Amino acid sequence: DAGVIQSPRHEVTEMGQEVTLRCKPISGHDYLFWYRQTMMRGLELLIYFNNNVPIDDSGMPEDRFSAKMPNASFSTLKIQPSEPRDSAVYFCASSLSRLAGYTDTQYFGPGTRLTVL
Amino acid sequence: AQSVSQHNHHVILSEAASLELGCNYSYGGTVNLFWYVQYPGQHLQLLLKYFSGDPLVKGIKGFEAEFIKSKFSFNLRKPSVQWSDTAEYFCAVNSFYGGATNKLIFGTGTLLAVQP
Repeated sequence: DAGVIQSPRHEVTEMGQEVTLRCKPISGHDYLFWYRQTMMRGLELLIYFNNNVPIDDSGMPEDRFSAKMPNASFSTLKIQPSEPRDSAVYFCASSLSRLAGYTDTQYFGPGTRLTVL
Repeated sequence: AQSVSQHNHHVILSEAASLELGCNYSYGGTVNLFWYVQYPGQHLQLLLKYFSGDPLVKGIKGFEAEFIKSKFSFNLRKPSVQWSDTAEYFCAVNSFYGGATNKLIFGTGTLLAVQP
C-alpha cells in the first residue's frame, strides 16, 4: 500500500491567498483526520471524518478553515484567506474502525509544510 | 476534559544509556494507548500500542511500554538508545465512555537527542 498521500508537500503563498491541501487516505480506511503541527501548539486535531461525514470539527480554528471529503479516497483542507499565523505542517491521517467504536492505529501522511508570507 | 501529560520536554542521553519517557493521562475509563515517533523532517510513525491484555507492550526498534492503570501511566522505555533514536516522541490516548470516540489526544511530545 502506498500509505497516506498528501499534496503538495510544500506550499508557499502570500497572505490573503486561498490554500488547498489534499489527502488520499489508505484504501479501505473509514476514518480520516486532519492535524496541524506548530512549535507553539504542538499537534492539534482540526477535524475528522467517518465514512466521509465530518464527525468533530471543534478543532478548526475559525471560519477561514474548511474541510471536505467528497468520497472515500479524497479529502481537502482549505484556508481562505490565509494568514501568516497559519504557517505550520498539516498532517492527514487515516485509520480503520474496530469493534465497539474504538479507532485503530492512525497512519500519518508525510505532511504539507505551509508557509504564508 | 481528557488530557495527556508528557513531563519531559527535552531529554539528552549518550548512546547506550537507558531511556524512560513518562506519559500520564487524565481519563479513568477504558483507554487505548499509543506511542508515536517523529524523526527529524518526517511524519509520525507508530512505535507501539496497547489495547488490552499484557500491560507490557513491545514495539519496534527495541522499544517497550508499560501500562499501569492505577497510576494512569504508559511510560516508554528502551534499555540502550542509539544515535538513530534521536526524534520526538508522542504519547496518545483514545478513550471510550458512553459512546464511540475516535479522537486521539496527543501529549506535547518529548524531544530526545542522543549524543554519539
